[in-house]
Amino acid sequence: GAGVSQSPSNKVTEKGKDVELRCDPISGHTALYWYRQSLGQGLEFLIYFQGNSAPDKSGLPSDRFSAERTGGSVSTLTIQRTQQEDSAVYLCASSLAPSSSEQYFGPGTRLTVT
Amino acid sequence: QKEVEQDPGPLSVPEGAIVSLNCTYSNSAFQYFMWYRQYSRKGPELLMYTYSSGNKEDGRFTAQVDKSSKYISLFIRDSQPSDSATYLCAMSGDSGGSNYKLTFGKGTLLTVNP
Repeated sequence: GAGVSQSPSNKVTEKGKDVELRCDPISGHTALYWYRQSLGQGLEFLIYFQGNSAPDKSGLPSDRFSAERTGGSVSTLTIQRTQQEDSAVYLCASSLAPSSSEQYFGPGTRLTVT
Repeated sequence: QKEVEQDPGPLSVPEGAIVSLNCTYSNSAFQYFMWYRQYSRKGPELLMYTYSSGNKEDGRFTAQVDKSSKYISLFIRDSQPSDSATYLCAMSGDSGGSNYKLTFGKGTLLTVNP
């Protein structure tokens, strides 16, 4: 079956602009996660969505970052007023079970802020 | 001390060699241990998923967890050039029910030479 899909695959933006990144989880997966992979930092947890429950936003690095999940499926991660330090690969993952450590990742969106 | 330590390599081996990849960790609450393979400019692919201590085998791959030593390993037998990738260890715990927050090592870059 289809895996997690993300779009765009690459995004170049100017400092100060807003960007939206999209994630489509695996069909039937109830939980969705966003991570960031920065050079030298490894993968860092950003946010977790499960059904209609309030998301766990504890990993978001600043209030310029926000995310939503509509209809329990597609999710968008929005970064406002982008900064150069936001340059990274943003990865989305999903899991069949809620609160699961067995997560399947998408290909990521490579964001470059110039 | 970082929560998860992983030798970044690079590690270069001849085809057919047995590869040993390792991570150490400091958080005794970790209960779930994963190994991901990440090809260049792709998302992480879940290879092995284990709970608590012990061994798990899947084809040419064997994952070992030693919770007493806070040490996990991934062995690859009969390594192939297609195994050339970055290998990431990840782990999570039951602390506060947030076992979905994966903590990653920074990855080991493996090259298998034909």
